[in-house]
Amino acid sequence: EAGVTQFPSHSVIEKGQTVTLRCDPISGHDNLYWYRRVMGKEIKFLLHFVKESKQDESGMPNNRFLAERTGGTYSTLKVQPAELEDSGVYFCASSVGQGSYEQYFGPGTRLTVT
Amino acid sequence: GDSVTQMEGPVTLSEEAFLTINCTYTATGYPSLFWYVQYPGEGLQLLLKATKADDKGSNKGFEATYRKETTSFHLEKGSVQVSDSAVYFCALMNTGGFKTIFGAGTRLFVKA
Repeated sequence: EAGVTQFPSHSVIEKGQTVTLRCDPISGHDNLYWYRRVMGKEIKFLLHFVKESKQDESGMPNNRFLAERTGGTYSTLKVQPAELEDSGVYFCASSVGQGSYEQYFGPGTRLTVT
Repeated sequence: GDSVTQMEGPVTLSEEAFLTINCTYTATGYPSLFWYVQYPGEGLQLLLKATKADDKGSNKGFEATYRKETTSFHLEKGSVQVSDSAVYFCALMNTGGFKTIFGAGTRLFVKA
């Protein structure tokens, strides 16, 4: 069974540009999460989808970030326009259910904004 | 709000040394506690977990005991190997929750 995949693995963009990150969850997992780790600090929750609906987006830093999950399958996270402080590693995770269900994480996308 | 504090790294040990990585938490209710590991070039993997007080999670020689009285979940291994070199994250999830709260991570280097 394939795990959570993310694309690209690494992206380098200039300040002001747009970047779109993609996450493909494990097949059959209705729950999808985005997290990010900035500057070697703790990994922080960004948002949670249940199928195509946003369950909680309280961790989204500002309106330059837009997450979608059309059709309830893969998800994209767009940053527009990117700022220097957006640099970090963006992780995606998926789970069958909520609560005690294990969240399976992808390898992350390392975003560098110069 | 809920939070996790873990010891800063990096931690450098020789092979076969004893490992302890301290982790304490602040949470309302009765959270589940986790240790995740990220090996170089790979994603986060769940290493072990404990869902209630006094539970001991264990995997691959690593252990951690859920201590409610000290709000701690320290990670231990009796004899580390070079292949254990990775970043270790302590984390919690509250009852019925979906948001995992992570610590800052501790990088472990094991020398041959």
